[in-house]
Amino acid sequence: SQTIHQWPATLVQPVGSPLSLECTVEGTSNPNLYWYRQAAGRGLQLLFYSVGIGQISSEVPQNLSASRPQDRQFILSSKKLLLSDSGFYLCAWSVNLRSEKLFFGSGTQLSVL
Amino acid sequence: AQRVTQPEKLLSVFKGAPVELKCNYSYSGSPELFWYVQYSRQRLQLLLRHISRESIKGFTADLNKGETSFHLKKPFAQEEDSAMYYCALREQGGSEKLVFGKGTKLTVNP
Repeated sequence: SQTIHQWPATLVQPVGSPLSLECTVEGTSNPNLYWYRQAAGRGLQLLFYSVGIGQISSEVPQNLSASRPQDRQFILSSKKLLLSDSGFYLCAWSVNLRSEKLFFGSGTQLSVL
Repeated sequence: AQRVTQPEKLLSVFKGAPVELKCNYSYSGSPELFWYVQYSRQRLQLLLRHISRESIKGFTADLNKGETSFHLKKPFAQEEDSAMYYCALREQGGSEKLVFGKGTKLTVNP
């Protein structure tokens, strides 16, 4: 069966520090991968999605970047965190873009102080 | 522009009362709409999709193209229905990704 792992679960970082959140999927090949942010009062916002290795689409201009170095690995990064980067980050995967069923990770609560 | 609108951030009802979580959308094409739910300490997961016209855990949602709505309804709410509910729209053509609303937190009181 397929599983999605996301870590760390919580992270407290100072402003200006770098960020790296990792997400891996097991039990499937060539998944579509997504990074969402759940910010207070702003709902669930799609940040990035990827249909294959090295293929990243950005949905909103921001201080973050994403990379997909391997088929089932999706990384969210920042060189210098801002206070506004605080939020709950969710990784998700789907069989393909046409699939309405997203499988979500357990999330990372990021606090930038 | 907001493509999926959930006007209620919070909704509180009593057990056994009917509940309706509102969702309106803005999309020029033929939409596909979904409801996702996140129970306490659980992952966000798909609840139902409009194309299957199914009832899940007593919930139903009908796509009303005239009113551009996809409200989620249940005739008799249960305490275990308390959760965060997200309405989502899939855009057809291009990336066909899911766009979520801001969510509604439902609390069912005993």
